[in-house]
Amino acid sequence: QQQVKQSPQSLIVQKGGISIINCAYENTAFDYFPWYQQFPGKGPALLIAIRPDVSEKKEGRFTISFNKSAKQFSLHIMDSQPGDSATYFCAASIKGGSYIPTFGRGTSLIVHP
Amino acid sequence: GAVVSQHPSRVICKSGTSVKIECRSLDFQATTMFWYRQFPKQSLMLMATSNEGSKATYEQGVEKDKFLINHASLTLSTLTVTSAHPEDSSFYICSAWTVDGYTFGSGTRLTVV
Repeated sequence: QQQVKQSPQSLIVQKGGISIINCAYENTAFDYFPWYQQFPGKGPALLIAIRPDVSEKKEGRFTISFNKSAKQFSLHIMDSQPGDSATYFCAASIKGGSYIPTFGRGTSLIVHP
Repeated sequence: GAVVSQHPSRVICKSGTSVKIECRSLDFQATTMFWYRQFPKQSLMLMATSNEGSKATYEQGVEKDKFLINHASLTLSTLTVTSAHPEDSSFYICSAWTVDGYTFGSGTRLTVV
């Protein structure tokens, strides 16, 4: 299975700061790049997703930046809050049907008050 | 949006007994569902792909007789951990493609004592 490389493994940010998590992929056939937020004891929740035909997508404080030529995408969390403390996973896939996303290893984010 | 409903959220069972975990698609039909296992502070490990009306496809290294998957209808897939042992204790999560994207259930924490 093609690997999706995610960094950093852990991230500590002060309240109000910007959290940045990066991912890189290999398979150019991927056309769907979601980010998931997971709190302890809960299943991952879809946070935001992007298709390769756009370079940026913003939803509230969360923004995905996508660089197709570099095969990289990143999640930016603006004005980070303690409630954002969670594990974040990036993924890459071909959307729909029986296609299985390839997940990054996850980033544990801690936002200090 | 479409919901993937998973039950139970927590289960404790005695060693040697079997446990069934249910995953339902609410307001949509899922011909394919996916089952994951997650160890503490680690990423999602795909166990098997569940196909409605046919046999599940297991990932390499996953014991088919230990983890029985049934997908008898378009809205229900079940994972049965048979003859559970303490090493089977883990967090199990199902998922499916929905109109909102690749969506996870809330997960089941299995503890075998």
